[in-house]
Amino acid sequence: DIQLTQSPSSVSASVGDRVTITCRASQGISNWLAWYQQKPGKAPKFLIYGASSLQNGVPSRFSGSGSGTDFTLTISSLQPEDSATYYCQQANSFPLTFGGGTKVEVK
Amino acid sequence: DVKLVESGGGMVQPGGSLRLSCAASGFTFSSYSMNWVRQAPGKGLEWVSYISSGGDARYYADFVKGRFTISRDSAKNSLYLQMNSLGDEDTALYYCARSRVGGPTEFDSWGQGTLVTVSS
Repeated sequence: DIQLTQSPSSVSASVGDRVTITCRASQGISNWLAWYQQKPGKAPKFLIYGASSLQNGVPSRFSGSGSGTDFTLTISSLQPEDSATYYCQQANSFPLTFGGGTKVEVK
Repeated sequence: DVKLVESGGGMVQPGGSLRLSCAASGFTFSSYSMNWVRQAPGKGLEWVSYISSGGDARYYADFVKGRFTISRDSAKNSLYLQMNSLGDEDTALYYCARSRVGGPTEFDSWGQGTLVTVSS
């Protein structure tokens, strides 16, 4: 199974800050990586697929990059509504797996 | 708009069974692969099972293999998860999620979840 390790597990930043979350895969997955945002009590929201393709309707301050084993999700200018937990997910092979999550707090 | 509505959750004793359902609308259900993903209270996301658009391919996480069965009824636009031999570790919010494309892939739409509690 492919393990995904996210870091940091939590981050606190101010409005307007740039925030970067990393996701490392235990083996190469090309660009088969997705990112989700989950707010408390809500279902996850699909943000990015193919490591860097933004899902329709997702604000352009979100971006993704990486290939192989190392990936990043960047929020270029943090907004109050970005307070949430973010998960990466590999779509390379079954069993599909998620990272452990990164909680983003807006100060 | 895509809508996925889960039902069938509840409290069950260890060793018991439950059948979850997911009613889909707003898209051509028969054209999409579907999944179940769960989240234990206060924990992360965990993929449970996948079924292809035609129902001919099914995959399961190791921790449910032999206990859970995924199925679909395209005439009813519905997805199901039959869960047997439930244990405490199966307590979670179970989400129905649509695959973006066929095969191993991302989940582009999610329901709101149905809560399964396994407790004596």
